[in-house]
Amino acid sequence: AQTVTQSQPEMSVQEAETVTLSCTYDTSENNYYLFWYKQPPSRQMILVIRQEAYKQQNATENRFSVNFQKAAKSFSLKISDSQLGDTAMYFCAFMKHGGKLIFGQGTELSVKP
Amino acid sequence: DGGITQSPKYLFRKEGQNVTLSCEQNLNHDAMYWYRQDPGQGLRLIYYSQIVNDFQKGDIAEGYSVSREKKESFPLTVTSAQKNPTAFYLCASRKGFSAFFGQGTRLTVV
Repeated sequence: AQTVTQSQPEMSVQEAETVTLSCTYDTSENNYYLFWYKQPPSRQMILVIRQEAYKQQNATENRFSVNFQKAAKSFSLKISDSQLGDTAMYFCAFMKHGGKLIFGQGTELSVKP
Repeated sequence: DGGITQSPKYLFRKEGQNVTLSCEQNLNHDAMYWYRQDPGQGLRLIYYSQIVNDFQKGDIAEGYSVSREKKESFPLTVTSAQKNPTAFYLCASRKGFSAFFGQGTRLTVV
């Protein structure tokens, strides 16, 4: 069975600085997808970034980028130039092709002014 | 507008009663999911459905039931067998590797 682990329950960062959230996963699949979701206090789940396992190039979306290490089964999220609006719970998620979407426990990020 | 709608936003249930949470999508997505969210435990998968008239148990299916009679609808019933039903419930739908979430239902047992 696939599992997703986020080892940092809480993190904080100063506004305008960079922070990295960690995620590891366990799977025997070769074809899968990885995601980072943001959940602000409104509790609406918002897709931040996604990565297809067969793509070696790390995904980037504006201030958000990932470090995808397939052999190590690691998928970290880097947030550059942190903003107050980035304060939220962040979830790492895994999905094999056509399968169920599995989430980690989440990391609560606080951006401080 | 296309989207996924959960209702109601807040729901109160007396202990021992069954209750059904609604999830409707007009995105023409094949796959739909139900998750439970508790503090410190992330999102745990209850049930999921890849196509109409078919669904599979997730990690915490005990005390819950679902149906998928229409592509657009995937209701979740919380039965009296669920010992600790107070939680936030999220529904999602997916096509390819794009998943969208509803706004959630907060269920409280009183």
